[in-house]
Amino acid sequence: QKEVEQNSGPLSVPEGAIASLNCTYSDRGSQSFFWYRQYSGKSPELIMSIYSNGDKEDGRFTAQLNKASQYVSLLIRDSQPSDSATYLCAVDTGRRALTFGSGTRLQVQP
Amino acid sequence: DADVTQTPRNRITKTGKRIMLECSQTKGHDRMYWYRQDPGLGLRLIYYSFDVKDINKGEISDGYSVSRQAQAKFSLSLESAIPNQTALYFCATSDQTGKVTDTQYFGPGTRLTVL
Repeated sequence: QKEVEQNSGPLSVPEGAIASLNCTYSDRGSQSFFWYRQYSGKSPELIMSIYSNGDKEDGRFTAQLNKASQYVSLLIRDSQPSDSATYLCAVDTGRRALTFGSGTRLQVQP
Repeated sequence: DADVTQTPRNRITKTGKRIMLECSQTKGHDRMYWYRQDPGLGLRLIYYSFDVKDINKGEISDGYSVSRQAQAKFSLSLESAIPNQTALYFCATSDQTGKVTDTQYFGPGTRLTVL
């Protein structure tokens, strides 16, 4: 079992819809969780970080964390074609560095 | 100017050659990391350093070595490059804020091709 798992996609949604991206992790001791967006050939850029159970909202983005079920999700409201990218989930598994999932590719159709 | 820079941005080399990838940062962060990215495999950690005297192996350190010359500089070396080291390499930095791993900031990447 991978430490951080994501569906590779592609996840295709129409413009204006809600995109829901999911990530599960195996280490119950994980304390910090991050969502990065990566455009093709570019470096990852931070979208959201979340440390506590529940929801955290930032503009069109909402991160949701459920430590009991060991999953973290990212919701993108009013999806735009510019949101088309690969979204990487990253988890602090307690080994002093982040562990990344393989990413979910999102396609927003105009 | 970019906070995290990597040189070179692209490099083509031959099997058996020694190559060094360099990373510099102006963010003042103590922690620096080297990752490689292959299609479908996400980011995999090669080495990380929490200060000049604290260097640690990541999950895929075989075939690589690193040098932390200063707080701001962290170099990755391939002593004898092989074709399966062809990948996109990223340097990242983060600040030290207690026990919780903080946000990592990435450089622009180096695309390395080993023929």
